[in-house]
Amino acid sequence: EAGVTQSPTHLIKTRGQQATLRCSPISGHTSVYWYQQALGLGLQFLLWYDEGEERNRGNFPPRFSGRQFPNYSSELNVNALELEDSALYLCASSLAGGASEQFFGPGTRLTVL
Amino acid sequence: RKEVEQDPGPFNVPEGATVAFNCTYSNSASQSFFWYRQDCRKEPKLLMSVYSSGNEDGRFTAQLNRASQYISLLIRDSKLSDSATYLCVVALGDSNYQLIWGAGTKLIIKP
Repeated sequence: EAGVTQSPTHLIKTRGQQATLRCSPISGHTSVYWYQQALGLGLQFLLWYDEGEERNRGNFPPRFSGRQFPNYSSELNVNALELEDSALYLCASSLAGGASEQFFGPGTRLTVL
Repeated sequence: RKEVEQDPGPFNVPEGATVAFNCTYSNSASQSFFWYRQDCRKEPKLLMSVYSSGNEDGRFTAQLNRASQYISLLIRDSKLSDSATYLCVVALGDSNYQLIWGAGTKLIIKP
């Protein structure tokens, strides 16, 4: 069974640009979560999508947004990139929402220059 | 106060030793608890869920103390391959529940 996949693996942008990160959940999983992990820090919850709807978002500015498609894949968009947005962005999926076990993808490492 | 707090370590432990981590949480309404493991520059993976009665999986034992609002992870007979960061995760039970992640405890097993 294929795991959670993310693309691209690495992304380099400059300040003010926009970044789009993609995630495909495990087949059959309807919930997708996005996390930011800055170097040496813990996971910070960004967004939770389930059945195409945004269910919850973390304490991040509105320039962090996303969506979930009918096939449950998801996209994270970061507008007006800032240097401190440089981090590993992890996507996870679960069978059901909320407190279910989450399975993570390998992440997208975003570098903002 | 952070919602989920862990000692960041690192814990430097000789191979074969027993090591224990604690994690405290602030919200008494928390209902589900997990330990995840994250290897360097890799994604987190579920190590074990933590049940009220405590649970054991091989060399790993997890305990929950609701009264004091902490969970613990005990690793016996530690192996070099146990070197990783261990993340404590807590879930609330309301309709918008989500997982709250601790910053992790780094464990280094030395030969």
